[in-house]
This record gives sequence, structure tokens and C-alpha cells, in this order.
Amino acid sequence: EIVMTQSPATLSVSPGERATLSCWASQNVNSHLAWYQQKPGQPPRLLISGASTRATGIPARFSGSGSGTDFTLTISSLQAEDFAVYYCQQYESWPTFTFGGGTKVEIK
Amino acid sequence: EAQLEQSGAVVKEPGESLKISCKASGYTFTRHWIGWVRQMSGRGLELLGMIHPGDSDTKYSPSFQGQVTISVDKSVNTAYLQLSSLQASDTAVYFCSRLTPPPYYFDLWGLGTLVTVSS
Repeated sequence: EIVMTQSPATLSVSPGERATLSCWASQNVNSHLAWYQQKPGQPPRLLISGASTRATGIPARFSGSGSGTDFTLTISSLQAEDFAVYYCQQYESWPTFTFGGGTKVEIK
Repeated sequence: EAQLEQSGAVVKEPGESLKISCKASGYTFTRHWIGWVRQMSGRGLELLGMIHPGDSDTKYSPSFQGQVTISVDKSVNTAYLQLSSLQASDTAVYFCSRLTPPPYYFDLWGLGTLVTVSS
């Protein structure tokens, strides 16, 4: 099983600042990496697929990068609605897809 | 608009079984795998398994093989997750989610079903 590790567990950021979230895979997942945003009481929402492709309707302030084992999600200027938990997920190893443990982005 | 509508919250006693549903609408149900994902309170996301409604091909994550049963009724565009011999540790929110065509990732989610197991 590919283990996904996210860091940090909690990120305290002021509105308007940049947030950088990291995700590591225990094995090469190529670019088969997705990012999801989850707010309390809601399901996850797809943000990024293919490590860097924004999903429909996702603002340009969200960007993803990386390939292989190291990935980054950057939120260029945090808005109030961006405070949430973010998960990465690899879909390289069919059918045993795995998620990272999540990074909570909170208001500083 | 594509949607996944899940059955409502349920409270069960230890040892009981339950079956929760996920009804799809707004897209061709038989063209996309449906996955089931568990989220325990305050915790992360765990894939339980997935099913292809077109041919009922089913895949289970190794940790959940034998613990859950996934099924589908394509005549009513609905996928199901069955949990048996419930324990308190099964208390969680269970999400269904649609997978894109290859390469697979989750592009549409149900709102989740809260399952509480308590005596």
C-alpha cells in the first residue's frame, strides 16, 4: 500500500497570506495525485487532479505542483472560505487508492 | 446536474447490520465506478472499496475485505454499502463518491451518511 504523508498537520495563516501544503508518497505515483478540500459537515471537494490541473470552478489562487513522490498545494492569497482541511490522494495504485492524513488550514 | 444522494443518518446497536444507499442522478450511472469512503470523527478519509455499476465488478481495500459488502442495483441507479456485526468502532460518516474515467479520481461526492453504533 502506498502511504501518503501530509505536512504540517495544522497550518496557521492570516487572510491574504500564502499557504503551502506538502504531501509525500511512499512510492512513485507519477502525476496521479489529487487534492481535496473539506469543510466541517461537508463532503470533500475536488480541487486538483493530475497533480496540477484545477477542477472546474476552482479559483486560480489554488495551484498544485510536483510529481513522483513530492507534491505541493499552494493557496496564493487565503480567503475566508479557504479555511478548511485539505487532503491529498494518490490514484496510481489501482484499486488501492490512499489518502493523506490531512492538513488543517486555520486562521492565525 | 450530476448528484449522489445518500440515505439518512442511522443509529444501530452493536451486533446489528445495516445497508446504506447512494442514488445517482444526472449522469450515466453505468459508466463510472462508485467508491465508498469512511471518515471517523475528526479523522481522515479511508477508501473501503468500489464497484462498477455496469458489470458489478467490485474491488475492496485490503483492510476492509470481508468487513463490508458493496453492491449495486443499476435498475434504480443505486449503490449500497452493507456493514454487518456492527461495533462502536464502525461509528463514522460514510461517503459515496463517483470516480472519473481512467485515470481514476473522485470528482463527485454524496453528502455522507452518519452511522452511530451505540448500546
